[in-house]
Amino acid sequence: GDSVTQMEGPVTLSEEAFLTINCTYTATGYPSLFWYVQYPGEGLQLLLKATKADDKGSNKGFEATYRKETTSFHLEKGSVQVSDSAVYFCALRAGGTSYGKLTFGQGTILTVHP
Amino acid sequence: DGGITQSPKYLFRKEGQNVTLSCEQNLNHDAMYWYRQDPGQGLRLIYYSQIVNDFQKGDIAEGYSVSREKKESFPLTVTSAQKNPTAFYLCASSPLAESYNEQFFGPGTRLTVL
Repeated sequence: GDSVTQMEGPVTLSEEAFLTINCTYTATGYPSLFWYVQYPGEGLQLLLKATKADDKGSNKGFEATYRKETTSFHLEKGSVQVSDSAVYFCALRAGGTSYGKLTFGQGTILTVHP
Repeated sequence: DGGITQSPKYLFRKEGQNVTLSCEQNLNHDAMYWYRQDPGQGLRLIYYSQIVNDFQKGDIAEGYSVSREKKESFPLTVTSAQKNPTAFYLCASSPLAESYNEQFFGPGTRLTVL
């Protein structure tokens, strides 16, 4: 079945450091890929998405490129801020008979210190 | 403002009780989903519905029930048959159950068994 694997956390960085959170996936067909962010005690917010190979999703300085050859969708940001502290989830959504459900990675906790 | 509302924010249940979590959306979305989140884990799908008066079991449906009598509403009942119900419950919706559509999430309900 479909699965998503995220890098182990938590990740702790200083403000203005470079961020990478690795995400790889296994899926049949051609899924869409997503990064969601969750702040403490809240629901998930979409951060960015890519719907086909070589697409780059970007938002608020975050970027991720859909790499079919390596089945990856790594999240990057050039300079993190304290306000980026949150839990980040990589997810895929397959069409067809999968009824559009999201398959999530386990989440990566990011803490950014001033 | 369009969005998804969940109530209550916090819910406490005694052993042997059934409780119902509310989910309402005014986004005119066809598909709605219920996920469960446990600490350090990604989200897991409980139930989903693509149309009024129709719903399907997800990956962890045992001990849960749902209804979809209106397009806007998708309540989840946690029954006494659910042996470990303490978790964070998230409701989501999307325009169509197609892979390229993102899912929009509500703020969540935290259920605790006393």
